[in-house]
Amino acid sequence: QKEVEQNSGPLSVPEGAIASLNCTYSDRGSQSFFWYRQYSGKSPELIMSIYSNGDKEDGRFTAQLNKASQYVSLLIRDSQPSDSATYLCAVRAEGSYIPTFGRGTSLIVHP
Amino acid sequence: DTAVSQTPKYLVTQMGNDKSIKCEQNLGHDTMYWYKQDSKKFLKIMFSYNNKELIINETVPNRFSPKSPDKAHLNLHINSLELGDSAVYFCASSQISRDHEQYFGPGTRLTVT
Repeated sequence: QKEVEQNSGPLSVPEGAIASLNCTYSDRGSQSFFWYRQYSGKSPELIMSIYSNGDKEDGRFTAQLNKASQYVSLLIRDSQPSDSATYLCAVRAEGSYIPTFGRGTSLIVHP
Repeated sequence: DTAVSQTPKYLVTQMGNDKSIKCEQNLGHDTMYWYKQDSKKFLKIMFSYNNKELIINETVPNRFSPKSPDKAHLNLHINSLELGDSAVYFCASSQISRDHEQYFGPGTRLTVT
């Protein structure tokens, strides 16, 4: 059974700090990795996708992928209170168009 | 311009009733999904529909049925509603050429009393 694991948190960081969110997955055949942000009472919103080992940067967000360790992370630099949300990791295996979601990590950025 | 829309946004109904939730996407995507998010916030895939192929999560009761009149719509019908069906239901869509990055609708909060 494919599993995606995330620490539920909450992860609390001060404003301006780097928030580091982690995700591990069990299926070595996974090829696509996504990070979604979900504000309370809202729907998930795609913020990053990554497919190759290494780092991918988009503004204040950096996704990091290590397929050998089956690990994907999301770094948020210069965290803002508006970043406070639940971050969902999703992993899609080769040949499937249905991703497996983790349970999400709650991030709180305090002023 | 709403990309993925759902109606209704809220649905309150009694046990035993039958209800439908509608979903439409104007992104030209080829794949649509229904998810259930329970009180613990876990997103559970219920159905996915890719042109001709319907994939059903085997754990979903057969009281739930998807209906797709065309590529832009995937509606969810629920028969004989139960208390445990109370949750937020999200529709999503994706495109194979964009590696199935999913775009979610605003959600429908279903409350069964």
